[in-house]
Amino acid sequence: SAVISQKPSRDICQRGTSLTIQCQVDSQVTMMFWYRQQPGQSLTLIATANQGSEATYESGFVIDKFPISRPNLTFSTLTVSNLSPEDSSIYLCSVGGAQQPQHFGDGTRLSIL
Amino acid sequence: DAKTTQPNSMESNEEEPVHLPCNHSTISGTDYIHWYRQLPSQGPEYVIHGLTSNVNNRMASLAIAEDRKSSTLILHRATLRDAAVYYCILGLFGNEKLTFGTGTRLTIIP
Repeated sequence: SAVISQKPSRDICQRGTSLTIQCQVDSQVTMMFWYRQQPGQSLTLIATANQGSEATYESGFVIDKFPISRPNLTFSTLTVSNLSPEDSSIYLCSVGGAQQPQHFGDGTRLSIL
Repeated sequence: DAKTTQPNSMESNEEEPVHLPCNHSTISGTDYIHWYRQLPSQGPEYVIHGLTSNVNNRMASLAIAEDRKSSTLILHRATLRDAAVYYCILGLFGNEKLTFGTGTRLTIIP
């Protein structure tokens, strides 16, 4: 099964700044997914990132706020821009595969001052 | 997406079996039933999945009703490490997004 490393594991940021979260996988994968988990809530999909194409965003999430890069088959970044207290959440990446379950990183815990 | 309904919380004694129910009356013919769990301070982890037949693996068993409108995740002998939020999810299996519901928070009593 894929091993996923997310960085940073946690951060505290000032309002109005941005944070870029990295997701590294130990094998090549076609699709990577980015989720948000607000305090005490379940996971919500932000976007699906395919290598070589623009990410596909879910309703309620826009590229200007959550730009995603996918430069190769083992790496992706999610940037959370213009941070506000409402962005305080855990951000998780996951990877799947044909006839494979999804594997998740342990998430990035983001707090906004 | 088809919706699932799970109890918000359940408790079980350590070393006893646990049956976690999930209702999915609007399941489509191509929907797999997936179970993931999220331990404290970790990302979700895959537990088991099935389509029509009951399934067993080293972690758990999945019992699927004949009409597929409900299923039950069975942990045969609960340990403290099984305390987690368990999510029942419908969808295709593989390179597909997952739609998480609210899940069942399982508490294990020593």
